[in-house]
Amino acid sequence: NAGVTQTPKFRILKIGQSMTLQCTQDMNHNYMYWYRQDPGMGLKLIYYSVGAGITDKGEVPNGYNVSRSTTEDFPLRLELAAPSQTSVYFCASSYPTDRGVPTDTQYFGPGTRLTVL
Amino acid sequence: EDQVTQSPEALRLQEGESSSLNCSYTVSGLRGLFWYRQDPGKGPEFLFTLYSAGEEKEKERLKATLTKKESFLHITAPKPEDSATYLCAVRGGSQGNLIFGKGTKLSVKP
Repeated sequence: NAGVTQTPKFRILKIGQSMTLQCTQDMNHNYMYWYRQDPGMGLKLIYYSVGAGITDKGEVPNGYNVSRSTTEDFPLRLELAAPSQTSVYFCASSYPTDRGVPTDTQYFGPGTRLTVL
Repeated sequence: EDQVTQSPEALRLQEGESSSLNCSYTVSGLRGLFWYRQDPGKGPEFLFTLYSAGEEKEKERLKATLTKKESFLHITAPKPEDSATYLCAVRGGSQGNLIFGKGTKLSVKP
């Protein structure tokens, strides 16, 4: 298993440009998450999904959009990039327990380092 | 407001010098405290989950403990390969999502 993969690894955007960060997992996990990590700060949850077709906002969703058309993929869309979106973005996934709630082990991808100039 | 505070921000140890990292938390209805390790340029890697005060878990040179207000990550006789940033997170509150601390950057010199 490749686990959680993210592309691209690095990207530089100009203010106002748009892009999609790709995330794929091959572990058949229902739960997927997007976090951002700013220097010296903790990981902040942007969006999460409990399964195909279902997404919900996290702590810092403004300026981002997500979709979940398949179990494997959870892309993050940035519209009208701003310097405040300069960060490292991590995708993660976890599997549900028998009672349908997420287990506590989240598996993280390697991250995408985004700079907006 | 749910909050996680880790201390110290950075810790430098000599190889073999044992120490502890602290994670204090404020959360309504704790549903788990988590420790992750993060190497430079990589995503966090899961280490431990603790659910109730008094619980302890061990993995190689690491031992995590939990009280009602804080958790400690004890590192016994560390090696240079233990150098990393250690992240603490809690699950609680209304949504039950993970709330991360800022991390402790550990450097172990040979």
